[in-house]
Amino acid sequence: NAGVTQTPKFQVLKTGQSMTLQCAQDMNHNSMYWYRQDPGMGLRLIYYSASEGTTDKGEVPNGYNVSRLNKREFSLRLESAAPSQTSVYFCASGGAGNSPLHFGNGTRLTVT
Amino acid sequence: DQQVKQNSPSLSVQEGRISILNCDYTNSMFDYFLWYKKYPAEGPTFLISISSIKDKNEDGRFTVFLNKSAKHLSLHIVPSQPGDSAVYFCAASENRDDKIIFGKGTRLHILP
Repeated sequence: NAGVTQTPKFQVLKTGQSMTLQCAQDMNHNSMYWYRQDPGMGLRLIYYSASEGTTDKGEVPNGYNVSRLNKREFSLRLESAAPSQTSVYFCASGGAGNSPLHFGNGTRLTVT
Repeated sequence: DQQVKQNSPSLSVQEGRISILNCDYTNSMFDYFLWYKKYPAEGPTFLISISSIKDKNEDGRFTVFLNKSAKHLSLHIVPSQPGDSAVYFCAASENRDDKIIFGKGTRLHILP
């Protein structure tokens, strides 16, 4: 049972480069989320998708775009990476409303 | 403005004693609260939750207490074990909104 799978695990980008972080879940959850974790800042919500076909901004959406490709997949795109986007990115999925989130193991991104 | 606050970045507790982690929130619309545990290089994992209609929820060694009037919740771990050393995140959501907001986390050290 894979749960939430994120790819890649590690990535180094130069400033201005673009990339897409992939996330897939096999638990038939409606909601999916992208968070970033920075030292001393905890987990901050970037974007979320309450259901297939919908996406909403979270706390720190600037510099990112998302696509809810289907119920299973939710990707996060950096169009022009900046050093401030150096972080660990976590994808999560959850059931309806108030069920706990299940997280992937993260993507460690460094922008130089 | 942080809606979920964990004001203690770290906490050290002797093995076998009680660990108490605290969390405050500012949004009175929050009605569901969760605690997550995170080990290095892994995604957060769900620990325990509580709905605003309750003031206590217990699961084995873990108990969460909710004081709605004070907008405060706490996680009690008793007895504390070495494997409890991790970062603990408090999180909250509104009933009709799937957006789940996390605090900055508290690093718990269990001392031998």
